Order: sequence, then C-alpha cells, then structure tokens
Amino acid sequence: QITLKESGPTLVKPTQTLTLTCTFSGFSLTSSGVTVGWIRQPPGKALEWLALIYWDDGNRYSPSLKSRLTITRDTSRNQVVLTMTNVDPVDTATYYCARRIVMSDYFDYWGQGTLVTVSS
Amino acid sequence: QSALTQPPSASGSPGQSVTISCTGTSSDVGGYNFVSWYQQHPGKAPKVIIYEVTKRPSGVPDRFSGSKSGHTASLTVSGLQTEDEADYYCSSYAGNNNPVVFGGGTKLTVL
Repeated sequence: QITLKESGPTLVKPTQTLTLTCTFSGFSLTSSGVTVGWIRQPPGKALEWLALIYWDDGNRYSPSLKSRLTITRDTSRNQVVLTMTNVDPVDTATYYCARRIVMSDYFDYWGQGTLVTVSS
Repeated sequence: QSALTQPPSASGSPGQSVTISCTGTSSDVGGYNFVSWYQQHPGKAPKVIIYEVTKRPSGVPDRFSGSKSGHTASLTVSGLQTEDEADYYCSSYAGNNNPVVFGGGTKLTVL
C-alpha cells in the first residue's frame, strides 16, 4: 500500500523559511523512474506545481519559484523535504506531496495535504 | 495565471454528458501525449482520473474519457452522476526543464 503524508508548521511569519516534510511508504525513491513532487493550492484557487525530486537525486523546480525552493530527500527515512525561503502571505496554501512515475508523467498517489498560513 | 486554460465552470443534468477543455501550446499539450486529469472534491486531495490523454486508472468508471486534438485536450463525463460534482484540473508534461503544468481548474456542477 502506497501512502504519503505531509508535515510541517501550520503558521509561518512573513520572510521566514518554510520547511515541509513528505513521509512516504510502499515504494522506493531509488527505483528507476520514480519521482516525488510538491504541489500547492491557495484557498479557493488552482493547483500549482512546485518541485520534483528524481530517483537519481536530480531535481526540477517551477521556473517562477526556483530561486526560493530547495527539494531534498532522505532515502533511509523515506522522506522528501521542501524548503521555501522568504515566505509571503501569498504563499498561504495547502501543500501536497505526490508520487509521479516518469514514463507516465502523472501524479498517481497523493498525500492528504497540509495547510500552511503565512501571517504575522 | 495558469499555463493551461480551462473554462472556470461547466454544468449538466444527471444522465447528460459534459466536456471540459484544456488548451495549451506546442510546448505542452500539443507536444506530448502526457495529459492527465484530476478530480478534486471539496477538502480532499486531487485524484487522477485520466492519464496519457486517454487512459483510465483502475477503478475509475468508464464514464470518464479523455481525448486530444492539437493543442487542446478534453475530458468528457458521460451519464453524469451527482457524485461527479467536483473541481477538475488538467495537467501536461511540458519538457525536461518544466515537467509539470496545471490548468486553472473547472468547477463541474450537476444540476
């Protein structure tokens, strides 16, 4: 059974750095073709892709947010970590992590999401 | 502004069919057969219902179908049911440096 679960702070102050963790089970992030991504959704708005980390430790970022994002993995703990620097109230959103297989290029398993509010 | 363009809303009566469009460019929808569609009910995570333009994951009813023509992909829901009322998002592969783009979402109302 494949599961993913996001964790992190629910409230962050403007200009701070946000760190989110995705803990997954049921698959290996070192298997060829496997990636884990982060997607966010501001309240009442659309999905926005943020970052992907690949089975070979490669990564890709949304061009519009690239300068503020870092995605890393801890394969021994089955975790993927996303950091976002210099947060702003517009970064208030539900943040999801999800698995994606390169050859099919869709997110097949999603976490439940975690709501992060940016406010002073 | 989302990379892929979807109508903000769509509607139909139970039993009817409705089609939702997703328009991109030659760099995404038109360039690859990696269009996927996600269904999202309020307060829930998105769920994939179509991938690789036309394929349905196991467990997704065959009332949901996908197609593509040029730079526009489409999701058709046939035999609308009340539980189909949800938000629908399209997504496409858009190249190695920007592998994921989403549409702005369409709210489907079953009247």
